[in-house]
Amino acid sequence: DAGVIQSPRHEVTEMGQEVTLRCKPISGHDYLFWYRQTMMRGLELLIYFNNNVPIDDSGMPEDRFSAKMPNASFSTLKIQPSEPRDSAVYFCASSFSGTGGSNEQFFGPGTRLTVL
Amino acid sequence: AQSVTQLGSHVSVSEGALVLLRCNYSSSVPPYLFWYVQYPNQGLQLLLKYTSAATLVKGINGFEAEFKKSETSFHLTKPSAHMSDAAEYFCAVINQAGTALIFGKGTTLSVSS
Repeated sequence: DAGVIQSPRHEVTEMGQEVTLRCKPISGHDYLFWYRQTMMRGLELLIYFNNNVPIDDSGMPEDRFSAKMPNASFSTLKIQPSEPRDSAVYFCASSFSGTGGSNEQFFGPGTRLTVL
Repeated sequence: AQSVTQLGSHVSVSEGALVLLRCNYSSSVPPYLFWYVQYPNQGLQLLLKYTSAATLVKGINGFEAEFKKSETSFHLTKPSAHMSDAAEYFCAVINQAGTALIFGKGTTLSVSS
């Protein structure tokens, strides 16, 4: 398996622009998670989905952030409009909760976002 | 509520020395506990996990952790540090619903020659 795939790996944009981050989870996994990592705040859980349905979005910082999962193999995290304080590394992770699963999360390589 | 506390944001050891990274947890249900490692510019990778079986858990790269209920601890150890162990290490506990992980703030391990 190719693991969790994220794109782009790096994104540089200007303040006010829309940013869309993409994630393809591991096939067969039923949970998908979006995290943000910064030096100041560490690793923060933004939102997670179960079977494509958002379960907990309490970590989403503002209405400028939105996430969707239209099918089991694709999710997006969108920031509109972007601000310099959104600069961070965004990780996607997936896990399997079925028989034999221990909710171990598999992480993607991350998207490094820089907002100028 | 579930939480983890990692004691020491930065630990420095010499190559060949014992590595000890501390993690204490709080959980209202029998916990599932995890240690993840993050190498520079990479995502997190699972080192080991405790899921209520053996209290001494062995992971990859020579790491192990011992679950101690009486101390609510899950410290990570490695007998002999290698330069390649330099990374950030995260302890995590599963949430009460059993659906998501709650991560500690991380400990950066530096290894000097």
